[in-house]
Order: sequence, then structure tokens, then C-alpha cells
Amino acid sequence: AQSVTQLDSQVPVFEEAPVELRCNYSSSVSVYLFWYVQYPNQGLQLLLKYLSGSTLVKGINGFEAEFNKSQTSFHLRKPSVHISDTAEYFCAVSDRTDDMRFGAGTRLTVKP
Amino acid sequence: EAGVAQSPRYKIIEKRQSVAFWCNPISGHATLYWYQQILGQGPKLLIQFQNNGVVDDSQLPKDRFSAERLKGVDSTLKIQPAKLEDSAVYLCASSLRGGQGEQFFGPGTRLTVL
Repeated sequence: AQSVTQLDSQVPVFEEAPVELRCNYSSSVSVYLFWYVQYPNQGLQLLLKYLSGSTLVKGINGFEAEFNKSQTSFHLRKPSVHISDTAEYFCAVSDRTDDMRFGAGTRLTVKP
Repeated sequence: EAGVAQSPRYKIIEKRQSVAFWCNPISGHATLYWYQQILGQGPKLLIQFQNNGVVDDSQLPKDRFSAERLKGVDSTLKIQPAKLEDSAVYLCASSLRGGQGEQFFGPGTRLTVL
């Protein structure tokens, strides 16, 4: 079965700085990869997903992620963060049998 | 389009009591999921429905948890009796189809068991 490791539980950054949230996965089969964002007291919202094709995936709110098969990683990046990006970010992996597994989450805190 | 609706948003009960949560998925979405999200952890799938049939309930504690999706639309998740460790946010999600289809999440129900 697949699993996800989010390497940082908390990432504090200053406004307008770049950020990278790290995600590694393990799976014996081809996978689909996702990043979700969760704002306080809300459900999860899809930021972006990798299904196939180009390994660089662009999502909403200026985020992008790169699928690296050799390193089994799917790190999330944004070149310049805003206060409003403060939230919990979850990486998730799904194999073709529709079994989605989430990482433990990374809390991004953007400081003024 | 309307999103996934859940109620109640918050619930506080004492251990050994029963509780039920309700979810109304996005219209036309065949697949419905219930997740448990314990504080500080990612969501864990409890059960997945395809229309009104169960696809995966391998992580559902069946001695106390039950779920149904009558008529393939709304769903209810019940806990009877509740334990302290059941304190969590219960998220409902739906998708047009399983697999690579995007899952749309409701706001969740925060359960506190005292």
C-alpha cells in the first residue's frame, strides 16, 4: 500500500518569501499525487494534482509542484507567499484502485 | 454549484453516548467518502461508497461505527457507543467518480467526546 511522508510539520516564513513544502511518497505502482489546503474550520480544497504528463504541475493561488519519480517526491512551491496562504497543507497519494492516503500535514505560517 | 454539506458542525457528547453525522454530497457525484481527522494528523479514510454500495470500509471500526447511503445520495455516519479517542473532525467528501477524480470536501463535523 502507498504512504505519504510530509517532512516538515511546521514551516514559518515571512511574507513575500519563497516557500517549499516537502512531500515524499512510497508506492509499488503508478500513482496520482495531490496537494490540498485546509484553512481553519474548513474542509480541504484541492490546490493541484499530478495524474500524468508534464512533471511540473501548476495549481491555484500561484502554487506549483514537481513530480520526481526517481526521488519519489512531490514538493509544493510558491515563489512569494502572502499572509492569506497561512493554512495547513496536505499531500496525498492515490493508486489506481482509488485508495487515497494523506500525509500528516504541514502548517504554513506566513508572518508579516 | 452547491458544495458538500455536513451537519452538525460541532457536537459535544459524553463517552458511551451515540452520535450521528449527516452528509449531502454535490449533486450527481457517485462516490462519497467519510474521513476521520484527528488533531495533528491527516484525514484517514473510514468508508467509501459508490452510489449506495460500499467500496471500501477496511478502516471502519465496525464494532462501533456504521454508515449508510440510502438511495445513493445523502449519507449518515453513526458512532455507538462513543469513546474518548473518537474525538476528531469527521469529513465528508464526494467525487464524480473514484480514482483520479477530484474529491470535494465538506466543512466537517468537529466531535468532542468527554
